[in-house]
Amino acid sequence: KAGVTQTPRYLIKTRGQQVTLSCSPISGHRSVSWYQQTPGQGLQFLFEYFSETQRNKGNFPGRFSGRQFSNSRSEMNVSTLELGDSALYLCASSKGTGAGYGYTFGSGTRLTVV
Amino acid sequence: AQSVTQLGSHVSVSEGALVLLRCNYSSSVPPYLFWYVQYPNQGLQLLLKYTSAATLVKGINGFEAEFKKSETSFHLTKPSAHMSDAAEYFCAVSYQAGTALIFGKGTTLSVSS
Repeated sequence: KAGVTQTPRYLIKTRGQQVTLSCSPISGHRSVSWYQQTPGQGLQFLFEYFSETQRNKGNFPGRFSGRQFSNSRSEMNVSTLELGDSALYLCASSKGTGAGYGYTFGSGTRLTVV
Repeated sequence: AQSVTQLGSHVSVSEGALVLLRCNYSSSVPPYLFWYVQYPNQGLQLLLKYTSAATLVKGINGFEAEFKKSETSFHLTKPSAHMSDAAEYFCAVSYQAGTALIFGKGTTLSVSS
């Protein structure tokens, strides 16, 4: 069965621009979480969506936002990009909300801000 | 605050040697514990997870981990390293009250022939 699909795989943006990343979860999975991975800060939780509702949010500024559609696909948006936003953004899907279900990660979107 | 500590940012072993990657968590309640592996330019692949069933958890590719509540540890082991095991390994924890995974800083495993 198809895994978690993230598009695009690579992205280069200029400071001040905004960007939208997409995540298609495994079929039947209703929860989508987003994580940012940087060499300095490691893996940090951004937010989680379940049934189109944000269930949990990490400690990131309001420039980072997300949404989930009725087909469980999710997008995250970063506005007014800063150099420090350069990172690998990972999406994870799960059957339900709660760690007991386990998470399956996509291959990520590598964002470079110049 | 809840946290996960991975001892050793870099571990080097010879092919065929025992692999031991250490993970300790801070928690006053039983957590869910995970080990993930990441190859260059890839996402995270789940190796194994502990969800309060058996304390010895067997995962993919010959890896296993033992949950020790008294030591708040969840170390990852593999009896015999293979070159293909070279990657970065992450320990993660989650709790009943929330769903977000808290990751350790990662351990890079190098395997030499």
